[in-house]
Amino acid sequence: GESVGLHLPTLSVQEGDNSIINCAYSNSASDYFIWYKQESGKGPQFIIDIRSNMDKRQGQRVTVLLNKTVKHLSLQIAATQPGDSAVYFCAEIFKAAGNKLTFGGGTRVLVKP
Amino acid sequence: KAGVTQTPRYLIKTRGQQVTLSCSPISGHRSVSWYQQTPGQGLQFLFEYFSETQRNKGNFPGRFSGRQFSNSRSEMNVSTLELGDSALYLCASSPSSLETQYFGPGTRLLVL
Repeated sequence: GESVGLHLPTLSVQEGDNSIINCAYSNSASDYFIWYKQESGKGPQFIIDIRSNMDKRQGQRVTVLLNKTVKHLSLQIAATQPGDSAVYFCAEIFKAAGNKLTFGGGTRVLVKP
Repeated sequence: KAGVTQTPRYLIKTRGQQVTLSCSPISGHRSVSWYQQTPGQGLQFLFEYFSETQRNKGNFPGRFSGRQFSNSRSEMNVSTLELGDSALYLCASSPSSLETQYFGPGTRLLVL
């Protein structure tokens, strides 16, 4: 498959601390990157996106960093809250291949009270 | 606006059967995409429909097919079900492109 999630990595973080979730993407020519959050029993929910011509974008409590040199994407969550407990996925879109969309394997975030 | 809805939410089938899943996009959205989610393979793109035409396709066998109606509602069909087809099938809609997708809650399919 295009996205292997056989062993879902888990990040355990104390409430109030900052979280950093990492993602290695596959295509150096991808144009657009998205972070999704998926809570138990729900579909993925858009968090933040970034275009390939940017290296940083900030939202509310979240920041996405893009390092094209090493094909690495990260999501930083400030002051992590219990409601942030979920599985986080990165996704890349390669427009030249007809908007080919590929998801990363996901990271589970557990927030400890 | 109401979100993306998928029916049924849960389904149990046996090997060899076929199944049809339904997705109603957010009102005004013309693009509907389908994804398969399994513990082993993660989230994988199946296909995308836009204005009743398949615009993108992932790497799935021909047993997986879909269609979109004039009201943008979409159905996905899987024929000759295999045990490995057990998964959460997610539908997502967007106004026009994959960049702004809203996901439904999914249909959990169990193949026995």
